[in-house]
Amino acid sequence: DGGITQSPKYLFRKEGQNVTLSCEQNLNHDAMYWYRQDPGQGLRLIYYSQIVNDFQKGDIAEGYSVSREKKESFPLTVTSAQKNPTAFYLCASTPGGENVQYFGPGTRLTVT
Amino acid sequence: AQSVTQPDIHITVSEGASLELRCNYSYGATPYLFWYVQSPGQGLQLLLKYFSGDTLVQGIKGFEAEFKRSQSSFNLRKPSVHWSDAAEYFCAVGGLTGGGNKLTFGTGTQLKVEL
Repeated sequence: DGGITQSPKYLFRKEGQNVTLSCEQNLNHDAMYWYRQDPGQGLRLIYYSQIVNDFQKGDIAEGYSVSREKKESFPLTVTSAQKNPTAFYLCASTPGGENVQYFGPGTRLTVT
Repeated sequence: AQSVTQPDIHITVSEGASLELRCNYSYGATPYLFWYVQSPGQGLQLLLKYFSGDTLVQGIKGFEAEFKRSQSSFNLRKPSVHWSDAAEYFCAVGGLTGGGNKLTFGTGTQLKVEL
């Protein structure tokens, strides 16, 4: 089955801990994206990557880091520097030559 | 800078009634426009997209949207709403730039359907 998977669906961490969210796709898509969603604020772009070993900051990159070592994987690390990490995180990907973003099911992160 | 405004935070319609969700955008060139739908706790599903050509685009689940350049709008419509359409709807604008296919999303419209 082709698709975008995000794991886990729910994640709980203590304040001060780094946490890594997984995003994997087997669609052979070139570009991948990370968004953060908060109630009433829509989706905000954290990081995106168009090719392996390259990525760019989005609008709210502070306190986050990413890597793109493989085409199919784009993990997001929420560091302890992120002041308000509790949110719903969505990963998306885009095939080469297309302009449509396809989304994974999301991970809800709760930090207490 | 690109931006999207969805002026209605919440909309309630009766099942079987028609629906129109508003979307206004700001973009410096010819935009690519999208409507996505999100059920609670889920990812976003693409309903329809506009890139060029016919300004009335058809999507899945009986939805359509009309691109009006003069009004910078891309409103979503459905002639008869079903209870299963209750969800949150997001309009997005983007286009190919040197930095890739970045999308800007509106803040969403929550649709409630009364039986």
